[in-house]
Amino acid sequence: LAKTTQPISMDSYEGQEVNITCSHNNIATNDYITWYQQFPSQGPRFIIQGYKTKVTNEVASLFIPADRKSSTLSLPRVSLSDTAVYYCLVVTGGYNKLIFGAGTRLAVHP
Amino acid sequence: EADIYQTPRYLVIGTGKKITLECSQTMGHDKMYWYQQDPGMELHLIHYSYGVNSTEKGDLSSESTVSRIRTEHFPLTLESARPSHTSQYLCASSSGIDEQFFGPGTRLTVL
Repeated sequence: LAKTTQPISMDSYEGQEVNITCSHNNIATNDYITWYQQFPSQGPRFIIQGYKTKVTNEVASLFIPADRKSSTLSLPRVSLSDTAVYYCLVVTGGYNKLIFGAGTRLAVHP
Repeated sequence: EADIYQTPRYLVIGTGKKITLECSQTMGHDKMYWYQQDPGMELHLIHYSYGVNSTEKGDLSSESTVSRIRTEHFPLTLESARPSHTSQYLCASSSGIDEQFFGPGTRLTVL
């Protein structure tokens, strides 16, 4: 399973765009990149998943370059309620085991 | 809205007691998982199941056991609880390679 590396913490202010980059140098051909969000005392919640190029949904965008060795989660116009831990995971197709790293603790300030 | 439930939400119990943490989902998902997470720390997969009568140990060694007799139900049992078992236990389910739906968790404290 590919190992991921992401910043331990980030700070932002309300209304700003936040970009969290994750590196996954050993990603395999049939691996997908997935991001989860976790609030204190709750289970993680799926945000977005992608294979290559760009994926966008109602809460975030995921940018994946051609070599797929990194990815960037983009949160547009964050609010205080976006303060959480964000996990980048590489999931092997058909396998569906999630290996969580330490994640990135995002703090959004007024 | 994900329909996955865990009971109890909080449990304080003495050393040596047998406990069962319940997890149920109404989405018909074949795959179910148990994770353990200490406060402020990473989640670790301790058990998973790909269907009825299928159970596997996860990446973190655990003294707990699980069973999967029905698709919707995936209970976790500790035969003899110890203080080292104090943690949050999260159950999840999925239908394929995409998202896992997590329950609210059970916070276990063993005195």
